[in-house]
Amino acid sequence: SQQGEEDPQALSIQEGENATMNCSYKTSINNLQWYRQNSGRGLVHLILIRSNEREKHSGRLRVTLDTSKKSSSLLITASRAADTASYFCATPEAGGTSYGKLTFGQGTILTVHP
Amino acid sequence: DAGVIQSPRHEVTEMGQEVTLRCKPISGHDYLFWYRQTMMRGLELLIYFNNNVPIDDSGMPEDRFSAKMPNASFSTLKIQPSEPRDSAVYFCASSFRQGSYEPQHFGDGTRLSIL
Repeated sequence: SQQGEEDPQALSIQEGENATMNCSYKTSINNLQWYRQNSGRGLVHLILIRSNEREKHSGRLRVTLDTSKKSSSLLITASRAADTASYFCATPEAGGTSYGKLTFGQGTILTVHP
Repeated sequence: DAGVIQSPRHEVTEMGQEVTLRCKPISGHDYLFWYRQTMMRGLELLIYFNNNVPIDDSGMPEDRFSAKMPNASFSTLKIQPSEPRDSAVYFCASSFRQGSYEPQHFGDGTRLSIL
């Protein structure tokens, strides 16, 4: 069963605009991770936020986590055409296992038009 | 550093044939994961290994699928006999040491088409 669900399924914006993607999950977690997948390539880890963190930044990425609402958001500021990709949230398997087993959401397809 | 290396990148074969997918994880990584990605089901974990030992194979769809890791630098995923519904992109990923805080590093996948 899906643990993380992304919203929206697809997002189309112009270069320079900000892109916001949301992820909701069902059970308690100790961290949440975001990955990017370019067309025809594997997933690339972007950022990890721990359950005791509310917000985290990495370059043009800003991630928030609201454990009370079981939701996270990924904001990409000043988007570029190269940001065009699918974005996935991933959470440890329900039950808080520490074995590195992640469940991925269905992803948000981001298209940035030059 | 070399990333996770998968081969072949593309495989087209006829139903009933045996298919073998290969993966070389990042050196020093203790965990290796096999995933399958389809439009309908998204990214599914099939099986993962710790120090070459299979830990959880609950995602393997049926007995036609098998995976091995004979040493720390090589793993295979085999499908025999293959069926059209096995068509998907298969990813291998590896991570360093135990823990859900460790990011996973993915290969570029094998796009498998069963005719």
